[in-house]
Amino acid sequence: AAGVIQSPRHLIKEKRETATLKCYPIPRHDTVYWYQQGPGQDPQFLISFYEKMQSDKGSIPDRFSAQQFSDYHSELNMSSLELGDSALYFCASSMDRGYGYTFGSGTRLTVV
Amino acid sequence: KQEVTQIPAALSVPEGENLVLNCSFTDSAIYNLQWFRQDPGKGLTSLLLIQSSQREQTSGRLNASLDKSSGRSTLYIAASQPGDSATYLCAVPNTGNQFYFGTGTSLTVIP
Repeated sequence: AAGVIQSPRHLIKEKRETATLKCYPIPRHDTVYWYQQGPGQDPQFLISFYEKMQSDKGSIPDRFSAQQFSDYHSELNMSSLELGDSALYFCASSMDRGYGYTFGSGTRLTVV
Repeated sequence: KQEVTQIPAALSVPEGENLVLNCSFTDSAIYNLQWFRQDPGKGLTSLLLIQSSQREQTSGRLNASLDKSSGRSTLYIAASQPGDSATYLCAVPNTGNQFYFGTGTSLTVIP
C-alpha cells in the first residue's frame, strides 16, 4: 500500500540558510499535517492543510511557511535556519476526521 | 488544551512477559485515539486506532482499550519480544484533527 512519502530523508544546512521539505500524502487523503520532533521530545504540531487550505496552525515559527499544492503534496519552507531547528520533521496525512493519521518516515534536518 | 500523559516513562521487561502501557488525557471530547510505535530516529508507525464509540481494538499481540469518560487508554502487549523494544506514543486529536501526543513509554524487552 502507498505510504506518505517525505523528501529528503536527511538534510544538513548552515545557520541562516533556507530549507524546503516535501511531503506526498497517501492518494485520496485530503489533509496533510506537519510535526516537529526535537531530540527526546514528543512530536509538536506545526501546521495542517485541508483541501489545499490551511486548516490549523500550531507552534510554527514565523520563519517557516507551508502550502499544499493542487496535487495535494505539501512543502514546508524554513528560512533563516537556527541551530534549534535541528529536528525530525514529520508529515502525516489522513482521509477525514476520525480516520487517524499515517506518518511519513520523516526528514532529519541538521543545522550546523 | 488537551494534555496527554503516559505512564510509565520507561519499562524494561524480560522476553515473554505481558505488559500494559497507560495513557491518560484531560479532555474526554475526542473523536478517536491512536497508538504509535517509534524506533530511535525513525518515523511513527500506527499500531491501533480506536474510535470514540469503541472500547477496544486488537491487532495480533496488541490490544488497546479506551475509556473515554475517565480519559484513559491502555495498550496491552502479550508475550513481549525483543523486537517490541521501541517508544510507544498515544495521541488524541482536537476538533481540528491536530493530534496531541503523550510523552511516550520507552520499552525495552530483554532477551
